[in-house]
Amino acid sequence: AQKITQTQPGMFVQEKEAVTLDCTYDTSDQSYGLFWYKQPSSGEMIFLIYQGSYDEQNATEGRYSLNFQKARKSANLVISASQLGDSAMYFCAMREGLRSSASKIIFGSGTRLSIRP
Amino acid sequence: GAGVSQSPSNKVTEKGKDVELRCDPISGHTALYWYRQRLGQGLEFLIYFQGNSAPDKSGLPSDRFSAERTGESVSTLTIQRTQQEDSAVYLCASSGTTSFTDTQYFGPGTRLTVL
Repeated sequence: AQKITQTQPGMFVQEKEAVTLDCTYDTSDQSYGLFWYKQPSSGEMIFLIYQGSYDEQNATEGRYSLNFQKARKSANLVISASQLGDSAMYFCAMREGLRSSASKIIFGSGTRLSIRP
Repeated sequence: GAGVSQSPSNKVTEKGKDVELRCDPISGHTALYWYRQRLGQGLEFLIYFQGNSAPDKSGLPSDRFSAERTGESVSTLTIQRTQQEDSAVYLCASSGTTSFTDTQYFGPGTRLTVL
């Protein structure tokens, strides 16, 4: 069974500092995709970044990067130079690949990030 | 290029009534997902439609919940005999294909309140 674990229910970070949000996953598939989403207080789910299991380079999107350590089954999100607008819930998610019956996306429980001015 | 839309945005109903929630995916998207998010919690998978294949209903919490989708178009999630524990935001998402590489895009959700 696939499982996503986010061990940090809440984090406080000073503005302009970098922050790492942890995510570990469990799957027996070789093909899978990892996603991070941001959910501000408005409730919308905003896609941030994607990492494929076969990607050799860590994904980057602007201030977001994904620290992908396949052997450890971790996919931590790094936000550089944090801003007040980064305050939100962050969800890690995974989708398995070749077994179509298991290709639903499963989400972790989320991390609430609060940026201090 | 409209995104995923959901209606209604808010629904207040009385315990025991049936409700129907609607999701319009991004045009041409093959896969469509329904999730439930209770206040302050994460996303709970409900059901997944994957093109013309049989849907994955493994997340539906009880037989009071059902969903339909015709082809690659609109989906409706129906909750019969609503209970107070059904109060939550119901989120719909779609993705272009069923590939594991494909990102899913979310609608704004329907906030359901059962009195």
